Amino acid sequence: AQSVAQPEDQVNVAEGNPLTVKCTYSVSGNPYLFWYVQYPNRGLQFLLKYITGDNLVKGSYGFEAEFNKSQTSFHLKKPSALVSDSALYFCAVRDVGYNKLIFGAGTRLAVHP
Amino acid sequence: SQTIHQWPATLVQPVGSPLSLECTVEGTSNPNLYWYRQAAGRGLQLLFYSVGIGQISSEVPQNLSASRPQDRQFILSSKKLLLSDSGFYLCAWSRDSETGELFFGEGSRLTVL
Repeated sequence: AQSVAQPEDQVNVAEGNPLTVKCTYSVSGNPYLFWYVQYPNRGLQFLLKYITGDNLVKGSYGFEAEFNKSQTSFHLKKPSALVSDSALYFCAVRDVGYNKLIFGAGTRLAVHP
Repeated sequence: SQTIHQWPATLVQPVGSPLSLECTVEGTSNPNLYWYRQAAGRGLQLLFYSVGIGQISSEVPQNLSASRPQDRQFILSSKKLLLSDSGFYLCAWSRDSETGELFFGEGSRLTVL
């Protein structure tokens, strides 16, 4: 069965520094991977996805993610964090053969001025 | 462009009362539709998904039910609410594709007293 893990409950970063939010996955076939962001009391917003092709995927708001097949990881990155990036981030994997996404537990990103 | 609407945005209900949360999608046809619940501001639990009118798949046995009376309408219901039904309910849609991302509504916060 497909699964995704986000090993960090919270990540703290100073504004202007690079940030990384970690995600590892387990799939039985080709991995279809997604990142979402959630601001307080709001729905989830799609950031980016990896389906095939280049291992570095660029998305919204300056975020990017690096797909690493050998390490079964799909870490979210941004070169320079903003205070406004503070939010809850979710990694997700498509359950192949089923029309649904499996979400990780979420990582809270706190960017300090 | 496609939009998704959820209502009501907030709801406070006594234990034992009925529930109806509604979700509609505009600007697309034959979407896949989903209900997720988010407890304590963290992980998402898939409750129901639907690939067509009248077709409902339940992920977790519980006090809730879902219906899809029209192509772009998805309703979450309960006959008698429990305290444990409190949470943040998110509706989402996707295209009928393995690689398609989900698009979320703004959520409905339910408090059962």
